[in-house]
Amino acid sequence: TQLLEQSPQFLSIQEGENLTVYCNSSSVFSSLQWYRQEPGEGPVLLVTVVTGGEVKKLKRLTFQFGDARKDSSLHITAAQPGDTGLYLCAGEHPDSGYALNFGKGTSLLVTP
Amino acid sequence: GAVVSQHPSRVICKSGTSVKIECRSLDFQATTMFWYRQFPKKSLMLMATSNEGSKATYEQGVEKDKFLINHASLTLSTLTVTSAHPEDSSFYICSANRVGGYTFGSGTRLTVV
Repeated sequence: TQLLEQSPQFLSIQEGENLTVYCNSSSVFSSLQWYRQEPGEGPVLLVTVVTGGEVKKLKRLTFQFGDARKDSSLHITAAQPGDTGLYLCAGEHPDSGYALNFGKGTSLLVTP
Repeated sequence: GAVVSQHPSRVICKSGTSVKIECRSLDFQATTMFWYRQFPKKSLMLMATSNEGSKATYEQGVEKDKFLINHASLTLSTLTVTSAHPEDSSFYICSANRVGGYTFGSGTRLTVV
């Protein structure tokens, strides 16, 4: 069962453009996490959002957690080629014990 | 920060043989570790939860006799792919949870020929 729906799955943009990735669920999560993964490596945590309505910024990346704690978004401003990678949202759910459930991921390609 | 070391990073094996992948927590004790499988450009799919000193908990559809998990100590969990076949070729990643969040290993690329 896919608890987290992530969109879009693929995104190809040019350097300097803005983009938003969405992570939605019908379930309430105590927190959601965003990861970035490069080929052949494990995911690296970008941010954890905990409070409904929370907004966190990490340089050009802005993360939001929905008021109802069922959805989150990642917005990248002025994307750069170094932003290329697989972006994953993830959250803990009681049905999976302490394991993280991942969204399907968004494969981002930023071309110069 | 918390580090999880996964070994080997790459392995090629012949069809029918078994392969063992190790996942170690280097600076903390992990009573629970998680094993994921990932296909190219796809997300991580949870395979099983490894519990120190007890049996692993497998997700629906994952064959426990094929993917043997052993968590014999607080710092080591192993995943053995038994009688590997080409369809088992994939990227396997382990993870552990501690205060502050989850830490992932760097993954193991398994190719069965």
